[in-house]
Amino acid sequence: SQTIHQWPATLVQPVGSPLSLECTVEGTSNPNLYWYRQAAGRGLQLLFYSVGIGQISSEVPQNLSASRPQDRQFILSSKKLLLSDSGFYLCAWITRPASGEQFFGPGTRLTVL
Amino acid sequence: DAKTTQPPSMDCAEGRAANLPCNHSTISGNEYVYWYRQIHSQGPQYIIHGLKNNETNEMASLIITEDRKSSTLILPHATLRDTAVYYCIVRGYNTDKLIFGTGTRLQVFP
Repeated sequence: SQTIHQWPATLVQPVGSPLSLECTVEGTSNPNLYWYRQAAGRGLQLLFYSVGIGQISSEVPQNLSASRPQDRQFILSSKKLLLSDSGFYLCAWITRPASGEQFFGPGTRLTVL
Repeated sequence: DAKTTQPPSMDCAEGRAANLPCNHSTISGNEYVYWYRQIHSQGPQYIIHGLKNNETNEMASLIITEDRKSSTLILPHATLRDTAVYYCIVRGYNTDKLIFGTGTRLQVFP
């Protein structure tokens, strides 16, 4: 069966520090991968999605970036965190052909101080 | 921007049916209606989706109006564990992207 992992589960970082969040998927190949952010009390905002290795589409301008070095690995990064980067970061995947049923990981709760 | 409108919150007594409405008046012919829910501090969970016909699975039923401009998610016998934020999403046939709105916070009480 398919499984999606995210780490770390929680993270507290100072403003201006770098960030690296990792997401890996097991039990599937060629998934479409997604990064979402959820600010406190808000809905989910799509940040990036990837249809394959090295292919990244950005949905909103920000100081975050994403990379997909391997088929089942998706990384979210920042060189310098802002206070506004605090939130709940969720990775999701979907198999091809698309069914619309996205599977979400457990999330990483990031607090920037 | 989300293409759906949902009430911000609803209450439901345990054991009763929970009926969650969603308006999607600008939906086009090849767009599906999806429902997800998010229990506090967890990732969203897929519930059900449909195009034109009503759909039912082990979790819920989805009723789509004939003009497709609105739909209702029905949880037939709500339990305390159904307390969550429920998102109604319109997704195009040729895209995998889901645009989440703010959803409906359903509180099931004993």
